[in-house]
Amino acid sequence: QVQLQESGPGLVKPSETLSVTCTVSGDSVSSPSYYWTWIRQPPGKGLESIGYIYYTGSTNYNPSLKSRVTISLDTSKNQFSLNLTSVTAADAAVYYCARARRVIVWVSEFDSWGQGALVTVSS
Amino acid sequence: ETVMTQSPATLSVSPGEGATLSCRASHSVGSKLAWYQQKPAQAPSLLIYGASTRAAGIPATFSGNGSGTEFTLTISSLRSEDFAVYHCQQYDNWPLTFGGGTKVEIK
Repeated sequence: QVQLQESGPGLVKPSETLSVTCTVSGDSVSSPSYYWTWIRQPPGKGLESIGYIYYTGSTNYNPSLKSRVTISLDTSKNQFSLNLTSVTAADAAVYYCARARRVIVWVSEFDSWGQGALVTVSS
Repeated sequence: ETVMTQSPATLSVSPGEGATLSCRASHSVGSKLAWYQQKPAQAPSLLIYGASTRAAGIPATFSGNGSGTEFTLTISSLRSEDFAVYHCQQYDNWPLTFGGGTKVEIK
């Protein structure tokens, strides 16, 4: 059974870069069957998809965040990571990593989620 | 971007009763609609995909219906563990978008 676990600093200063890593067990980030994704949820609010990466290294980002987001893959550690630059208070959220099924070439539903990493933005 | 709207925001139901949650898409997403359950301080978990297919291990008390722009999630008989927030999500087009959630609370 696949498990995903986020890790990263819980506190980031405004204008700095938020970095969160997802460690995958029970599956391989090199699997051609899935996309590896990031989703966030500000406290008390709804869910927002951030972006995803495929084992080939190809990525797709939410246009609302595209200029600030980078998602990368480390197959040797079976991990993928999120970097979000120039953070503001609006970026404070629980950041989830999740696995999404790949159907033909399209991203499908999120079938497994990490427990989430709370990130606070404050000086 | 496809906007997903869920109603009601909160649903008060007695244990053993049924509940129907609604989700509307701003334009057609076909059957590319998923439902998730989220309990306090937990990550969402997949209930339904393809608008009506239950995920592995999900009991038959959960059923999904709809296509195009109108979708429903029905819980036939609520148990204590079913009181949670439910999110719908479309995966027809990028960015994938979620509704604002419906909280099902104990009446």
